[in-house]
Amino acid sequence: GAVVSQHPSWVICKSGTSVKIECRSLDFQATTMFWYRQFPKQSLMLMATSNEGSKATYEQGVEKDKFLINHASLTLSTLTVTSAHPEDSSFYICSARVQGGVVTTSTDTQYFGPGTRLTVL
Amino acid sequence: AQSVTQLGSHVSVSEGALVLLRCNYSSSVPPYLFWYVQYPNQGLQLLLKYTTGATLVKGINGFEAEFKKSETSFHLTKPSAHMSDAAEYFCAVSGSSNTGKLIFGQGTTLQVKP
Repeated sequence: GAVVSQHPSWVICKSGTSVKIECRSLDFQATTMFWYRQFPKQSLMLMATSNEGSKATYEQGVEKDKFLINHASLTLSTLTVTSAHPEDSSFYICSARVQGGVVTTSTDTQYFGPGTRLTVL
Repeated sequence: AQSVTQLGSHVSVSEGALVLLRCNYSSSVPPYLFWYVQYPNQGLQLLLKYTTGATLVKGINGFEAEFKKSETSFHLTKPSAHMSDAAEYFCAVSGSSNTGKLIFGQGTTLQVKP
């Protein structure tokens, strides 16, 4: 249980184009999903928190107009990198939060997708 | 504010030897602590987590970690390393609010020598 998928697993695009990455919770509903960015040999940096049915909450320094997040259903969140440039090349990872019971707490576990490797030429 | 420090970006052990990966945290509220493993070009897999209760937490693949409040530590151990344990390991602490946000350490690469 608690499987999260991402599509595509890798993508190469030209500078100036937009790329959409999907994150799906396959066997559970996730009201909250997170998007991370990871540079080679580095840790994960939280980009934004995606809440179903509402606007995403972006971390400081993350351009919300460049990284568009949509969480239209309880099992799908999308990240669109608009007008991509080579510096946007990175490994993008999503996670979905499994929330137990009526009261949600920060103890709830996040399950991670396998990541999407984006290369912008 | 919360933060996580993993001591040692690279740890090398022989197969069958003890694995010890160090993690220290800073938190103004009772922390919830996690260890994740990442294999090359893959997402993160939860090894174990501490929320409340027993301070010695057992996880998957024979790993365990002990929460020591006095030392603000949550070190990860495994009695006997396997070649398949070679990976990147991340310690994380949950956010101080009810957001569920995770704050990650810098990561430790575990190398297992035959």
